[in-house]
Amino acid sequence: EDQVTQSPEALRLQEGESSSLNCSYTVSGLRGLFWYRQDPGKGPEFLFTLYSAGEEKEKERLKATLTKKESFLHITAPKPEDSATYLCAVTRRRSASKIIFGSGTRLSIRP
Amino acid sequence: GAGVSQSPSNKVTEKGKDVELRCDPISGHTALYWYRQRLGQGLEFLIYFQGNSAPDKSGLPSDRFSAERTGESVSTLTIQRTQQEDSAVYLCASSLVAQSTYEQYFGPGTRLTVT
Repeated sequence: EDQVTQSPEALRLQEGESSSLNCSYTVSGLRGLFWYRQDPGKGPEFLFTLYSAGEEKEKERLKATLTKKESFLHITAPKPEDSATYLCAVTRRRSASKIIFGSGTRLSIRP
Repeated sequence: GAGVSQSPSNKVTEKGKDVELRCDPISGHTALYWYRQRLGQGLEFLIYFQGNSAPDKSGLPSDRFSAERTGESVSTLTIQRTQQEDSAVYLCASSLVAQSTYEQYFGPGTRLTVT
């Protein structure tokens, strides 16, 4: 069964303290892996799509990487405005339109 | 329009009543998705529409749930005989086409509370 597991469930960091969020996936025939950011009371906001192991993408203080079993979202020198829930999702080749989401990591950055 | 809009933003209903949730996608987006998000959990796929093709209803949890879309415009999600376990945020998303290479744009969601 396809599955996406995110860890930790919650992470509290001091402003400027770098860290990584993990997304482990089990899916037959990965087509793409997505990262989204979700603020309270809002819908998810797209961040990155990764397609193959070894691929990396960056946006401001965020960098996403992908291996054959997991993805990491690295956050460098975070600021309080980076506080949000970060969601990971995958889609399969045979069902490209259906996206399977993890339960997310709630990130809190203290000033 | 700037983005995906949903209405109402909040809905409180009594158990057993029917509810209709509305989604206005971004103009020109042919694909439209509905998701359910329970408190503290990830998104659960419900249904998607792609142009005039038959919708993929494989995520609908029971026959109390149904959805319609007219062409490439507005969609409504209907929940009949609501139950307390239906309480959740219902999110709608649209994308240019129903392929993984195209990012989805989400609406703000409708928070449904069944009392």
